[in-house]
Amino acid sequence: EVQLLESGGTLVRPGESLRVSCAASGFTFSSYGLNWVRQAPGKGLEWVSGISVSGGGTYYADSVKGRFTVSRDNSKNTLYLYMNSLTVADTALYYCVKGLRQTSGIFGNDPWGRGTLVTVSS
Amino acid sequence: QTVVTQEPSFSVSPGATVTLTCGLTSGSVSTGSYPTWFQQTPGQAPRTVIYNTNLRSSGVPDRFSGSILGNKAALTITGAQADDESDYYCVLYLGGGISVFGGGTKLTVL
Repeated sequence: EVQLLESGGTLVRPGESLRVSCAASGFTFSSYGLNWVRQAPGKGLEWVSGISVSGGGTYYADSVKGRFTVSRDNSKNTLYLYMNSLTVADTALYYCVKGLRQTSGIFGNDPWGRGTLVTVSS
Repeated sequence: QTVVTQEPSFSVSPGATVTLTCGLTSGSVSTGSYPTWFQQTPGQAPRTVIYNTNLRSSGVPDRFSGSILGNKAALTITGAQADDESDYYCVLYLGGGISVFGGGTKLTVL
């Protein structure tokens, strides 16, 4: 069974940086693209970033491009999201989501984790 | 900038059929958009209902179906039940590893 466990979310001040992680199990990690999706309190879902199987392809929403960096460690079955220059607008629950294909951005029927909460506030 | 459109809200009577749609502000939705539909209730993580246009996720009742209708993706609930009252989000693949979610549809069953 696919399991995704996000961690690292916390309270940070505007302008600070943070890394969140996602530990995966239950599938061949290195065979699937992965995505970060976030949900601000009371708001809808937003695709934030994706990464291909090898990590050679990384993709970002315009709202985070240039500030966020996605990476993966296939030896540790772990996905990362490095977030710089955080603003109040980045406050959200961050989910990692397994893809359906080797590239990112294509979703399947796998369960989501519980997410990790990032709060940006002064 | 491409925006994915969904009806903000929809109301359906129990037992009736409802079709939610998911479109693009520029261009048409096709199977190559890999339309995926998620159901979310308050406080819970989203759950996949339909993926890859019309594949039903395991455990999802067969009253849920997905399709392409005209230039949009569609989620149809045939014989809506009270349990179906949720927020529904679609996501479309734009190519190049990038996807965009719609704003979601709040479905009320009453």
